[in-house]
Amino acid sequence: DVKVTQSSRYLVKRTGEKVFLECVQDMDHENMFWYRQDPGLGLRLIYFSYDVKMKEKGDIPEGYSVSREKKERFSLILESASTNQTSMYLCASTPGNSPLHFGNGTRLTVT
Amino acid sequence: QKEVEQDPGPLSVPEGAIVSLNCTYSNSAFQYFMWYRQYSRKGPELLMYTYSSGNKEDGRFTAQVDKSSKYISLFIRDSQPSDSATYLCAMNRRADSWGKLQFGAGTQVVVTP
Repeated sequence: DVKVTQSSRYLVKRTGEKVFLECVQDMDHENMFWYRQDPGLGLRLIYFSYDVKMKEKGDIPEGYSVSREKKERFSLILESASTNQTSMYLCASTPGNSPLHFGNGTRLTVT
Repeated sequence: QKEVEQDPGPLSVPEGAIVSLNCTYSNSAFQYFMWYRQYSRKGPELLMYTYSSGNKEDGRFTAQVDKSSKYISLFIRDSQPSDSATYLCAMNRRADSWGKLQFGAGTQVVVTP
C-alpha cells in the first residue's frame, strides 16, 4: 500500500511565523500535491510538483511556497502565517496514471 | 459558483439501508470521476473511480455517472455503522491530470445501529 506520511498531525503557530509542513511518500511517485480542506469549501489545490525541483501553482497559491529537493519529499511553506491559513493541510501523491493517495493531514492553527 | 456541488448533509440512515449520494458539476470537460471516503481526523481514501458515463460496482458500492446531466452518484447497499464518514466526490478535466482535482465539499453520512 502507498504510504503518504505528514510529519505533524497538529500544529499551533503564531501570526507572522514561517511554517514548514513536511510530507514523505514511499512509493516512488513522480507527482505530489498539497491541498487545504475547509468546511463548506472542500479541498483546494495549493501547489503541486511533477518532478524533483519542479513546482507549479494550483488554484490558491498565495501566501504559500513549496520545496521538492528529493523525489519522496514535498514541503509546503507558509512564509508568514496568517489566521486565514488556519486549516487542514493534506499532502497527496500519484504515479501519474491513477488517482491520488492522501496522507492523514496536518491541522494547522494560526493564532 | 462552484464547479462541483455536493449536499453537505448530514445524511442519517438506519443500518441496512441504502445510502444515496450525489454531486452535480458544471464543466463538461470533466472525464474521470472519483469518490473518496474520509473518516474523522483522517485523510481521504479512494473508494472508486469511473471514466465517463456508466456504472461501476465494487462490493456494496456502486458509482454512476451521467455526463449528459452532469450528475454523478454513489450508492452504498446494506449500510453499516462503519460507513459513517464524509464522502467526497472529485473529478478532473484531462486524463493526465490525476492530481489536479475539483472536489465537492463532502457529504457527512451517519449510519445508526
